[in-house]
Amino acid sequence: KAGVTQTPRYLIKTRGQQVTLSCSPISGHRSVSWYQQTPGQGLQFLFEYFSETQRNKGNFPGRFSGRQFSNSRSEMNVSTLELGDSALYLCASSLAAIPGDIQYFGAGTRLSVL
Amino acid sequence: DAKTTQPPSMDCAEGRAANLPCNHSTISGNEYVYWYRQIHSQGPQYIIHGLKNNETNEMASLIITEDRKSSTLILPHATLRDTAVYYCIVRVGAGSYQLTFGKGTKLSVIP
Repeated sequence: KAGVTQTPRYLIKTRGQQVTLSCSPISGHRSVSWYQQTPGQGLQFLFEYFSETQRNKGNFPGRFSGRQFSNSRSEMNVSTLELGDSALYLCASSLAAIPGDIQYFGAGTRLSVL
Repeated sequence: DAKTTQPPSMDCAEGRAANLPCNHSTISGNEYVYWYRQIHSQGPQYIIHGLKNNETNEMASLIITEDRKSSTLILPHATLRDTAVYYCIVRVGAGSYQLTFGKGTKLSVIP
């Protein structure tokens, strides 16, 4: 079974631009979660989607948004990029149907904002 | 979700067992203990999880104390490839869809 796939792996943008990151979950998984990892703040939860609906959201500004498609693939968008948005963005998928569910992570997209 | 406390770093000799402790004294009855690890700049990798009983899989064993206030992850024969940051996470099994990562334990396996 293929794992979680994130594209692109690396991205360089400049301040003020916007960016879209993509995540393809494991086949059959309906939940997709996004996390941001920085050296200062560690791994922080952004949001989670299940069946095209956002179920849970972390404490991030509205510049960070996401969506999920009917095939469970997900995208996250960051508008008006700031230098502090430079980070590793991780996507995780899970069945999200039973207690004790497991999240499986992709390799991440490393975003550098110049 | 309950808070966890882990030592910031540990060393282990190659071939020996690595025992990584985690304190979760405020854990409640329906909260699972999960362990993930992250090798440098890669995505976190699921290792094992448990609710009350000890668990074992092909990667590791998880020992949870009877009062569930602490647990230990055991890597039976550590290799250099086990060098990583290990995260202990306590999470409600149903209705909580996020993982709250702490700072974890940096395990260094030494030849």
